Amino acid sequence: NAGVTQTPKFQVLKTGQSMTLQCAQDMNHNSMYWYRQDPGMGLRLIYYSASEGTTDKGEVPNGYNVSRLNKREFSLRLESAAPSQTSVYFCATKVGSNYGYTFGSGTRLTVV
Amino acid sequence: TQLLEQSPQFLSIQEGENLTVYCNSSSVFSSLQWYRQEPGEGPVLLVTVVTGGEVKKLKRLTFQFGDARKDSSLHITAAQPGDTGLYLCAGSTSGTYKYIFGTGTRLKVLA
Repeated sequence: NAGVTQTPKFQVLKTGQSMTLQCAQDMNHNSMYWYRQDPGMGLRLIYYSASEGTTDKGEVPNGYNVSRLNKREFSLRLESAAPSQTSVYFCATKVGSNYGYTFGSGTRLTVV
Repeated sequence: TQLLEQSPQFLSIQEGENLTVYCNSSSVFSSLQWYRQEPGEGPVLLVTVVTGGEVKKLKRLTFQFGDARKDSSLHITAAQPGDTGLYLCAGSTSGTYKYIFGTGTRLKVLA
C-alpha cells in the first residue's frame, strides 16, 4: 500500500546518545515534514523539506538535524538526546499547499 | 506560539448524541484542515476548507469555515463509538507548505 513508512516504531535512548529516525514515502510527493506530538501541545513542526535538496527549520528545530536523502527519504537525527526530546515523532508528506498531509504511524521515543 | 485553540479539550458522550467541536484563532487562514487520530496511529485527513463560509459534509460530519477564515467547527450528528478519537484542526496562514496544528479535542463515544 502506498504511504509513509517510519522506522523504528519504538526506541529508548539514554541521555547523550544519538540516533536517526528514518522516513520513506512512495507517494512521489515533493514536500516532507517531521512533527513531534506531546500531550497538551498538539503537533509541532520540527523541520520540513519543500522539495528534494532543500530543508528548513520549523517551530522547534533545536537539538535536531535532518537530511533529505532523495525524493523518497527524509531522516531526522538527534545528535545528543535529552529527556525533553521524549515524544512521539511523525513524518508526513503532501503533494501541495492546500492538500492534506499523509502521516506515518509514528516513532515513540523515550529518553531516560 | 500556538495559533489555534480547540474546544472542548475532552468530550465524553453517549452514542446517538450530537456534538460540536471548535477551532479558533486570531489569525486568518488561507486553508484549514481537520484530522482524526486513533491511538498508535498518525492523523488522517478528514477535510480541507479554503473559502470563508464554506460548509462541507462527510456522512454524519459537517465542517464549517468561518466567514472571516479565522475559525472552524466540526459537528457530528448521532455519534457512534467508531467516532472515538483525537480530532485536530490545522491551518495555513499564507498558503505555504506549513500548517499549524491545534491541541486537539479528545472524543469518546460510549455505546
